[in-house]
Amino acid sequence: QQPVQSPQAVILREGEDAVINCSSSKALYSVHWYRQKHGEAPVFLMILLKGGEQKGHEKISASFNEKKQQSSLYLTASQLSYSGTYFCGTEPGAGRRALTFGSGTRLQVQP
Amino acid sequence: NAGVTQTPKFQVLKTGQSMTLQCAQDMNHNSMYWYRQDPGMGLRLIYYSASEGTTDKGEVPNGYNVSRLNKREFSLRLESAAPSQTSVYFCASSGKIDPRGGEQYFGPGTRLTVT
Repeated sequence: QQPVQSPQAVILREGEDAVINCSSSKALYSVHWYRQKHGEAPVFLMILLKGGEQKGHEKISASFNEKKQQSSLYLTASQLSYSGTYFCGTEPGAGRRALTFGSGTRLQVQP
Repeated sequence: NAGVTQTPKFQVLKTGQSMTLQCAQDMNHNSMYWYRQDPGMGLRLIYYSASEGTTDKGEVPNGYNVSRLNKREFSLRLESAAPSQTSVYFCASSGKIDPRGGEQYFGPGTRLTVT
């Protein structure tokens, strides 16, 4: 079952912060986050594994609440280069060993 | 290092025609995947291969077949194309022997239109 992402879209000014949420109805093994710019392929940002800690990548970090099957992506002090569509992908704790992606959150950072 | 390559980049087919999308990776990865992405939508898994010699169905396998030719190459075949298969097709690969938890690297995509 597809994870639910929120919000569907967000517009920011440079320097503002944003949070993107991803929620699943299934127990999860891991959550992946990818960013896709228009007309390009998705690019890996980070993985959060069951039992793992919060991960960070410069001004982009994420958390994973295993009990609630939820993950959040935090973008701080946003830059123009952060614009794109963000997808979470979830791996279940059991069953098919592959990702199911959410429908995406479109992020636009304006000057 | 080319990463993941896909051919062709663009293709137009008529209903009922067949074609094969090619994918190759030079990262010595074990797992490979085929996704489709419809306008404004997320990625949906068609088929995947956890290792050379194995393939498994994803969410939307109907109308497609795959071949894991060797460790490097994973092809996707449309036997009788339908307009509903108009989409962008992405191939991806992952290095972990256990496909769980492995970051995926995507190819540039093939834009397919079926008329």
